Amino acid sequence: QSVLTQPPSVSAAPGQTVTISCSGSSSNIGNNYVSWYQQVPGTAPKLLIYDNNKRPSGIPDRFSGSRSGTSATLGITGLQTGDEADYYCGTWESSLSAWVFGGGTRLTVL
Amino acid sequence: EVQLLESGGNLVQPGGSLRLSCEASGFTFTNYGLSWVRQAPGKGLEWVSAMSGSGGVTHYADSVKGRFTFSRDNSKNTVYLQMSGLSPEDTALYYCAKATSYYGSGDDAFDIWGQGTMVVVSS
Repeated sequence: QSVLTQPPSVSAAPGQTVTISCSGSSSNIGNNYVSWYQQVPGTAPKLLIYDNNKRPSGIPDRFSGSRSGTSATLGITGLQTGDEADYYCGTWESSLSAWVFGGGTRLTVL
Repeated sequence: EVQLLESGGNLVQPGGSLRLSCEASGFTFTNYGLSWVRQAPGKGLEWVSAMSGSGGVTHYADSVKGRFTFSRDNSKNTVYLQMSGLSPEDTALYYCAKATSYYGSGDDAFDIWGQGTMVVVSS
């Protein structure tokens, strides 16, 4: 059981918008920045969002992040087949002095 | 190009030991924290251990505390994960990940990941 809770799967059609939620608590999301990672099967994770809502260079603005209280959300607009992947949220858990990740969400672009 | 290259993964018997290496290039090694993150087959990401840029601060997941040791050799731009008391639950692809700041903890993220090295614990 992960400290951060994500839906196991989401799906949407090409061109549509999807959101992926990440629920935590005051000791993790509530007081530390959230980052999001994309993992295409068979490859290493890739940073999509850091500091709750910032995009590294090279990440298109179709990807966005937000945080409210003890939850965070990843948004993807204009879905493409290439966006099919597993998405993970991550943050620091202050009570454990440890990094924690969500269980991951499999995105299917129908 | 910023790069992390892991090595050392292997098949090991339960109770055995193994040392993983991660060689870094393309950035000032001592300015950034590094972590080990593992992924069991078909499972999600699990953070294992983190170390600050100088090596002065280290954190471990409860699941590996007392069995794994994170170290670094700044002269070789390399970090190591010494693993002992291995069990089948430690079977995973082990990634080395670079933090975006010196401490590699708190308000931070992992911006560069290696390709991983596979550890299989089985008799």
